[in-house]
Amino acid sequence: QAGLTQPPSVSKDLSQTATLTCTGDSNNVAYQGAGWLQHRRGHPPKLVAYRDGNRPSGISERFSASRSGNTASLTITGLQPEDEADYYCSAWDRILTAWVFGGGTELTVL
Amino acid sequence: EVRLVESGGGLVQPGGSLRLSCAASGFTFSREWMSWVRQAPGRGLEWVATIKPDGNDKFYVDSVRGRFTISRDNAKNSLYLQMNSLRAEDTALYYCTSGLLDYWGQGTLVTVSS
Repeated sequence: QAGLTQPPSVSKDLSQTATLTCTGDSNNVAYQGAGWLQHRRGHPPKLVAYRDGNRPSGISERFSASRSGNTASLTITGLQPEDEADYYCSAWDRILTAWVFGGGTELTVL
Repeated sequence: EVRLVESGGGLVQPGGSLRLSCAASGFTFSREWMSWVRQAPGRGLEWVATIKPDGNDKFYVDSVRGRFTISRDNAKNSLYLQMNSLRAEDTALYYCTSGLLDYWGQGTLVTVSS
């Protein structure tokens, strides 16, 4: 099953802004939108955004998501050390009838 | 509080079987799609299987179709994954997750090795 495309790594300075991208197609990202999962080492994944721009309760307003066509984005402002993690985008693919994931972006906060 | 607690992982020889369980609480289990997602050592997240709320529709990644079976018992608020004909490449931490992947358990480790 085909996956979504994410850059493997992004590095930003403390308190700066990071924007992570995720590219899919009309059958997944552009179908019902993308979700974003934060996965810190030793912890289970945590959903930080879903259906493009929705934020689950308890997630900081520093996390915001959006989509333009087949590309979804997650923007994290005021980067903190605890934001350092792997970030995965996800989407339900209506043709594959499957969840598809990106390969993950490793975010390093310098 | 939503809780998902996986169990049933362990060490198994190639060709063997395991049954994973996921006990859910804190939400209306019978209304939610449920999924299993795994992460092999050093790899990213990989979706394994999904089941609809009534249990009648099930979806699998190609690599496990015919070997794994996802099921649920809404009366017991439980999700299961029966894994047969296990291979070394099935070695991973297996997570139970709900709905739009909004809640996750801590995972249960499956190791397939002789």
